Amino acid sequence: DVKVTQSSRYLVKRTGEKVFLECVQDMDHENMFWYRQDPGLGLRLIYFSYDVKMKEKGDIPEGYSVSREKKERFSLILESASTNQTSMYLCASSLDWPGTDTQYFGPGTRLTVL
Amino acid sequence: AQKVTQAQTEISVVEKEDVTLDCVYETRDTTYYLFWYKQPPSGELVFLIRRNSFDEQNEISGRYSWNFQKSTSSFNFTITASQVVDSAVYFCALSGINFGNEKLTFGTGTRLTIIP
Repeated sequence: DVKVTQSSRYLVKRTGEKVFLECVQDMDHENMFWYRQDPGLGLRLIYFSYDVKMKEKGDIPEGYSVSREKKERFSLILESASTNQTSMYLCASSLDWPGTDTQYFGPGTRLTVL
Repeated sequence: AQKVTQAQTEISVVEKEDVTLDCVYETRDTTYYLFWYKQPPSGELVFLIRRNSFDEQNEISGRYSWNFQKSTSSFNFTITASQVVDSAVYFCALSGINFGNEKLTFGTGTRLTIIP
């Protein structure tokens, strides 16, 4: 079974703090993704990566950056957290070309920025 | 641009009733994939099904069935004899195979509540 894990289920941070969200997958998947989920908006893609050290902007990259130094790990970074980044963050991975392959999701991190 | 519409924001049914969740999509691609995911209260999105645009056969898996109709751009999901464990938010999603459209586009989800 595919296993995608995220470092925290719940996180509370203060405005202006630098925040790291970690995601690890154990199935040697090529592609990894970060989404945020907000009520009434569904899931929106923040960043994705097709290979180590590669990153591509998704639909809402502003205020975020990412890092993929190893194939199994994809980090989402909030350089200076703001209250409008309070949300549920979901990481996903897939083996083959994203357009055809299934994405498998982690349990999510619910981030609150005070 | 691709779009997925789940017009039903919330649905409540009594246990053992059948329920259908609607999904309508828009795409200019001729080849694309459709997905359904379940998000229980725990928060993790659980993959349910993937269907490509060339396979219009309906699919049944236990109490779950999916009706794909290309003519109406719909990919509806039916739960037969619903159970309390089916309570969750369900998302329909779409991806194209060509570069630029390969990202998953999600609908806004339907919250299903099964009343015991």
